[in-house]
Amino acid sequence: GIQVEQSPPDLILQEGANSTLRCNFSDSVNNLQWFHQNPWGQLINLFYIPSGTKQNGRLSATTVATERYSLLYISSSQTTDSGVYFCAVEGSSNTGKLIFGQGTTLQVKP
Amino acid sequence: GAGVSQSPSNKVTEKGKDVELRCDPISGHTALYWYRQSLGQGLEFLIYFQGNSAPDKSGLPSDRFSAERTGGSVSTLTIQRTQQEDSAVYLCASSVGGSQETQYFGPGTRLLVL
Repeated sequence: GIQVEQSPPDLILQEGANSTLRCNFSDSVNNLQWFHQNPWGQLINLFYIPSGTKQNGRLSATTVATERYSLLYISSSQTTDSGVYFCAVEGSSNTGKLIFGQGTTLQVKP
Repeated sequence: GAGVSQSPSNKVTEKGKDVELRCDPISGHTALYWYRQSLGQGLEFLIYFQGNSAPDKSGLPSDRFSAERTGGSVSTLTIQRTQQEDSAVYLCASSVGGSQETQYFGPGTRLLVL
């Protein structure tokens, strides 16, 4: 099945710094979502981005489907950005189910 | 509008007991998914319901796990004869349609099997 790899596994930033999280996937995808899991465990949708670029405030994401990767950019990080960021993909066989990466754990220090 | 809701929030049970976990999807969403998040396995797919189609059960780890969806809305995940390795957070998600749609997740049920 499709493999999803995220990097880096852990990231520590000082408040105000910028960061880039990467998601590589092993096959064509129909769906790619970025999530933020907050300290209470809730998965919060950030982007639905199977291709192209989107921006939402300090966050933006780019997916280059032909090269099988996606990037999540966090600018001017805040302590509330801390948590685990997951990339999840749905393969091109239209199964509906999401395959998750192992996540990037981000800690933003004040 | 209301998001995906799940109950109970937390469940502690003894090994060998049966448990039922409930999911209420977002109103109007035809697709419903169950996932499990555990320390050793990360986030993994369990089962997917789409409209009146037969569910995709390919992620269920054993025949002790089953799920149903009544009236195209509420879903119940049942684990029979629970084992300690079933301890995990069980997450439910829903989407407007099936494939290629944004999935919205509930807060999860934290299951601890003693």
